[in-house]
Amino acid sequence: DTAVSQTPKYLVTQMGNDKSIKCEQNLGHDTMYWYKQDSKKFLKIMFSYNNKELIINETVPNRFSPKSPDKAHLNLHINSLELGDSAVYFCASSQMTSGSTDTQYFGPGTRLTVL
Amino acid sequence: GENVEQHPSTLSVQEGDSAVIKCTYSDSASNYFPWYKQELGKRPQLIIDIRSNVGEKKDQRIAVTLNKTAKHFSLHITETQPEDSAVYFCAASIESGYALNFGKGTSLLVTP
Repeated sequence: DTAVSQTPKYLVTQMGNDKSIKCEQNLGHDTMYWYKQDSKKFLKIMFSYNNKELIINETVPNRFSPKSPDKAHLNLHINSLELGDSAVYFCASSQMTSGSTDTQYFGPGTRLTVL
Repeated sequence: GENVEQHPSTLSVQEGDSAVIKCTYSDSASNYFPWYKQELGKRPQLIIDIRSNVGEKKDQRIAVTLNKTAKHFSLHITETQPEDSAVYFCAASIESGYALNFGKGTSLLVTP
């Protein structure tokens, strides 16, 4: 269960603040992701990184800046937080097989509440 | 991005009955189709997946079928149990292969 870990689990903050979420995987995967799950449970891809390189940036505001210091870590920094950023953010990782993602393993999620 | 449509949004069955959830996708380049189960407050967990070179896959009470021509895939759960109650998501890989597009989820309730 600690294969993909995220910190913190809960984050409550005021509008306008800057916050970071950290993610680590110990599965040896080469690809990591950030997904956003909104209040209606819709899961949407935000970013995808392969071997520390940004592959997917799915029309996310530039207030969101992911950083991958190495293959095992993908952090998410959010500037100038807005009410609409309130959601659960999931990190995930996978290995690429035959040019496509294999099973994606999700972290426990970070519930962000912006007041 | 390309869409994945999932139906129904809610499904209530009696214990022991079967449950079927259907998805359609629009990206003809999609070649990987996983199904995830998410219990309240927990992370999504893979329950079964299928690749485009296979039409059907089964794992005990769970099966998935894929019709690439029609761009449909379905999840079948037989002999449902109360612990099967959760939100189920279908997904399809995007063209580059580097992410998944998810359906909007089906909330399954299995009543004893």
